[in-house]
Amino acid sequence: GAGVSQTPSNKVTEKGKYVELRCDPISGHTALYWYRQSLGQGPEFLIYFQGTGAADDSGLPNDRFFAVRPEGSVSTLKIQRTERGDSAVYLCASSLRGDGAYNEQFFGPGTRLTVL
Amino acid sequence: SQQGEEDPQALSIQEGENATMNCSYKTSINNLQWYRQNSGRGLVHLILIRSNEREKHSGRLRVTLDTSKKSSSLLITASRAADTASYFCAVPNQAGTALIFGKGTTLSVSS
Repeated sequence: GAGVSQTPSNKVTEKGKYVELRCDPISGHTALYWYRQSLGQGPEFLIYFQGTGAADDSGLPNDRFFAVRPEGSVSTLKIQRTERGDSAVYLCASSLRGDGAYNEQFFGPGTRLTVL
Repeated sequence: SQQGEEDPQALSIQEGENATMNCSYKTSINNLQWYRQNSGRGLVHLILIRSNEREKHSGRLRVTLDTSKKSSSLLITASRAADTASYFCAVPNQAGTALIFGKGTTLSVSS
């Protein structure tokens, strides 16, 4: 079956612009996670969805970042007024149940965001 | 802040040799996971070891966990060029809602 997919694979934008990053989790996975990975670092948690609701958004760095998952499947990470410091690879992961911290998470290939 | 910290940061070996990577963490955990990341790609889950386990094997991988020392090791035996990648350990955050990753060990296996 299909794994986690993310679009676009690369996104180049200018400082101050708005961007949307999309994640399609594995079908049937109720839990969805967004992470951000800077060069030479491990992924850092941003937000966790259980179904349609954001169960933990404590990793979002500021109010320019927002994510939705309206039907409990596809999720969109939205970044307003982008800054150069937002440049990173944004990773999405899903797990069958909402206990992905206690079981395997399946990662997508990531979206590489570059803010000029 | 990142709880898992891998050591060494980089490791270069020849094909056929064994590679050992270590991970240290700070708080009590339910489990510890290891992931691999090939350049420019997403992470792939390798193995999960629970806090009541001391050792676990999967193919050429062997993971140990010492909860008293808050450390884990990943051993890759008889390494191959295809094992070249970054390896990350990850532990649950306090809320159990996500994983906290270390900075990773970059492994290079040359033929």
